Amino acid sequence: GAVVSQHPSRVICKSGTSVKIECRSLDFQATTMFWYRQFPKQSLMLMATSNEGSKATYEQGVEKDKFLINHASLTLSTLTVTSAHPEDSSFYICSAIRSPGANVLTFGAGSRLTVL
Amino acid sequence: GEDVEQSLFLSVREGDSSVINCTYTDSSSTYLYWYKQEPGAGLQLLTYIFSNMDMKQDQRLTVLLNKKDKHLSLRIADTQTGDSAIYFCAEPYSGAGSYQLTFGKGTKLSVIP
Repeated sequence: GAVVSQHPSRVICKSGTSVKIECRSLDFQATTMFWYRQFPKQSLMLMATSNEGSKATYEQGVEKDKFLINHASLTLSTLTVTSAHPEDSSFYICSAIRSPGANVLTFGAGSRLTVL
Repeated sequence: GEDVEQSLFLSVREGDSSVINCTYTDSSSTYLYWYKQEPGAGLQLLTYIFSNMDMKQDQRLTVLLNKKDKHLSLRIADTQTGDSAIYFCAEPYSGAGSYQLTFGKGTKLSVIP
């Protein structure tokens, strides 16, 4: 089956530093990956759509310079939270589709970011 | 825009059936999904239903779709303590073939032993 791995699962950082979260498709090539953010007791909010070899498409209200997304290969997308602040603390989840035509998303286990 | 609504909490006794309800807004959705999230984990696809179906059964799970009322439900038979989790209903953003999903806020299912 399709497996998506996220790393790290938990990260604590100081305010002002940058943090990189990796999302890997382990057994399939993912032309498109999605990054979501989940606030406590709330639903998932789509942040951006990441397409291999091109710039990410950000949802309205998501700062491109704050949340840098790179999808350099068919199996890896990264989300970098730059100059992190406590309000960036959240649960970040990535998902991937195997190829066009597939009708399901496979989600990673999520990464819990805590900014002190 | 799309809006998916769910009740936030459900509590059932072990062995009973659980029914989680969801309403959605986009009548053109081709698929509707149910995801499960266990504490501190990502989302696991439980099941999905194609919009031309009224019902789909998969072992203990039964999905009912009422397109007229834009109502989706998930029934879990013989609910077990391991079923305790948050269940999300989701529909694609408008437009067939869209893989971007709009999620409800999730229903927290608590199973009482």
